Amino acid sequence: EAGVAQSPRYKIIEKRQSVAFWCNPISGHATLYWYQQILGQGPKLLIQFQNNGVVDDSQLPKDRFSAERLKGVDSTLKIQPAKLEDSAVYLCASSPAPRNGGYTFGSGTRLTVV
Amino acid sequence: QQPVQSPQAVILREGEDAVINCSSSKALYSVHWYRQKHGEAPVFLMILLKGGEQKGHDKISASFNEKKQQSSLYLTASQLSYSGTYFCGTEFGHSGAGSYQLTFGKGTKLSVIP
Repeated sequence: EAGVAQSPRYKIIEKRQSVAFWCNPISGHATLYWYQQILGQGPKLLIQFQNNGVVDDSQLPKDRFSAERLKGVDSTLKIQPAKLEDSAVYLCASSPAPRNGGYTFGSGTRLTVV
Repeated sequence: QQPVQSPQAVILREGEDAVINCSSSKALYSVHWYRQKHGEAPVFLMILLKGGEQKGHDKISASFNEKKQQSSLYLTASQLSYSGTYFCGTEFGHSGAGSYQLTFGKGTKLSVIP
């Protein structure tokens, strides 16, 4: 079974620039999550999708972050404009719904804002 | 509400045992445990549902004390491959807002040395 695919693996941008991350979940997994992991901390949920609908985006900084999951499959997370504090690893995870086990995480995108 | 993990870090020699604790101030539906190696995605270890069950996975097992809202991860006869950061993720319910959503602790860094 193919895992959760994410790209790019690394990204370096200047503050105030924009950036986009892509995620392709495991085939058939209805639920998709974007997490932000700052160095030395646990992952923090940004947004949760079920199929192509948003379940929870209460912790997404909507003035600069946006995400979509068209057709209920792959997803894109965008930051515009980026700030220095957005430097982190952005992890995508998926699970079947209803979930009967854990999440499967992708390898993440390491973003550095300079 | 973020669960609290303890200890923050632990160093073991091969063959020694360790216990990592995860506690919540809010009633839990389930607790997940993940291990993350440096630069890699978190990997699911096990899930415990309310009911106080204990699960095992090779020489790694966990328990869930519903009364104390606490879970413990037990690593016995540690191996070098056990090194990494262990995260607990807590889930509060399976209906309504926040369903199927994990909140992760800050992690416990485990180092196993020869």
